[in-house]
Amino acid sequence: SQQGEEDPQALSIQEGENATMNCSYKTSINNLQWYRQNSGRGLVHLILIRSNEREKHSGRLRVTLDTSKKSSSLLITASRAADTASYFCATDRDGGSQGNLIFGKGTKLSVKP
Amino acid sequence: EPEVTQTPSHQVTQMGQEVILRCVPISNHLYFYWYRQILGQKVEFLVSFYNNEISEKSEIFDDQFSVERPDGSNFTLKIRSTKLEDSAMYFCASRGQGHYEQYFGPGTRLTVT
Repeated sequence: SQQGEEDPQALSIQEGENATMNCSYKTSINNLQWYRQNSGRGLVHLILIRSNEREKHSGRLRVTLDTSKKSSSLLITASRAADTASYFCATDRDGGSQGNLIFGKGTKLSVKP
Repeated sequence: EPEVTQTPSHQVTQMGQEVILRCVPISNHLYFYWYRQILGQKVEFLVSFYNNEISEKSEIFDDQFSVERPDGSNFTLKIRSTKLEDSAMYFCASRGQGHYEQYFGPGTRLTVT
């Protein structure tokens, strides 16, 4: 089965720095999504990039997608302490009819004030 | 802003007991999902539900699991005879027609003793 795998597993940066997280997956996709999870809480959708898109921006977030390499990256610019959370990529399987998501293991981001 | 709600937030049960986890999806959404996350691990897809029937289920979703939409608002996950390894956070999610992003509830922490 396909899996999204993020790296690094953990990332610690200072406030104001940029954070980059990467994700790889195995099979064809309709789209790739990034979610955020604060400790012990539910997942919050951040951004979606379709398989025919290469880059997308939303506020301080920038997502890229390289379908030839089956990889994506999430860049958070000018990070804040409040960005501390786990970030997951999730893929929506191409040909899958109902959109069930396959999540990676996540990157735990710690932003120090 | 509409949100997915889940009850209870924490459920403790003894092995072999039945549990029902409840979710109220966003009112105009048509696709419903259950996921689980064992502590420290990734979020795993359990089942998707559309048009009053299961559309897809994972290997985890065996005969001990069932889902139901008993009325126009609730969406439930039942585990008939819980095992220790069912201890996890269970997340409900929903999405609207023509949209791929899923909205997650805050989760129910299930502890099986």
